[in-house]
Amino acid sequence: EAGVVQSPRYKIIEKKQPVAFWCNPISGHNTLYWYLQNLGQGPELLIRYENEEAVDDSQLPKDRFSAERLKGVDSTLKIQPAELGDSAVYLCASSSLTGGGELFFGEGSRLTVL
Amino acid sequence: QKEVEQNSGPLSVPEGAIASLNCTYSDRGSQSFFWYRQYSGKSPELIMFIYSNGDKEDGRFTAQLNKASQYVSLLIRDSQPSDSATYLCAVNDYQAGTALIFGKGTTLSVSS
Repeated sequence: EAGVVQSPRYKIIEKKQPVAFWCNPISGHNTLYWYLQNLGQGPELLIRYENEEAVDDSQLPKDRFSAERLKGVDSTLKIQPAELGDSAVYLCASSSLTGGGELFFGEGSRLTVL
Repeated sequence: QKEVEQNSGPLSVPEGAIASLNCTYSDRGSQSFFWYRQYSGKSPELIMFIYSNGDKEDGRFTAQLNKASQYVSLLIRDSQPSDSATYLCAVNDYQAGTALIFGKGTTLSVSS
């Protein structure tokens, strides 16, 4: 069974440029998460989807961040415009409604903003 | 603000010793408790979960949960250099549908 797939793995951009990250969850997993991980910190939730619906986006900085999960499968996280402080790893994870709440993570997308 | 606290370490143990990693959480409604291992430059991978008070063993790993004290721990027996990583504690209130809240992680270094 394929795991969570994310792309790109690495992205370097100039500040004020836009950037987008893509995630394909484990097949059959209804719940999809985007987490942000800064160096030396644990992952912090940005947004959680149940199928197509964003059920928790309280930590998403909506002035510059946006996300979508069309058709309840793949998801895209966008930042526009990027700031220096956005440099971090963006982790996508998925979980099954029939599971015990455990999350399965993708490899992450490492963003560097210059 | 729901919090998960871990000692950032580093925790250094010799090969073959027992490594003890600790975690406390603030939300008494938390029902599910997870330990993830994260190697440098890699993403977190699940190593254990525990839902009930007491101990749960899986190979060299033992998770311990004490809900009254809001405390969860991970013991690694016969530590190996390959266990050197950051260990993340995560909790959630699964029935309330909350996402996992992670601690900052404890860095473990096992010397050969």
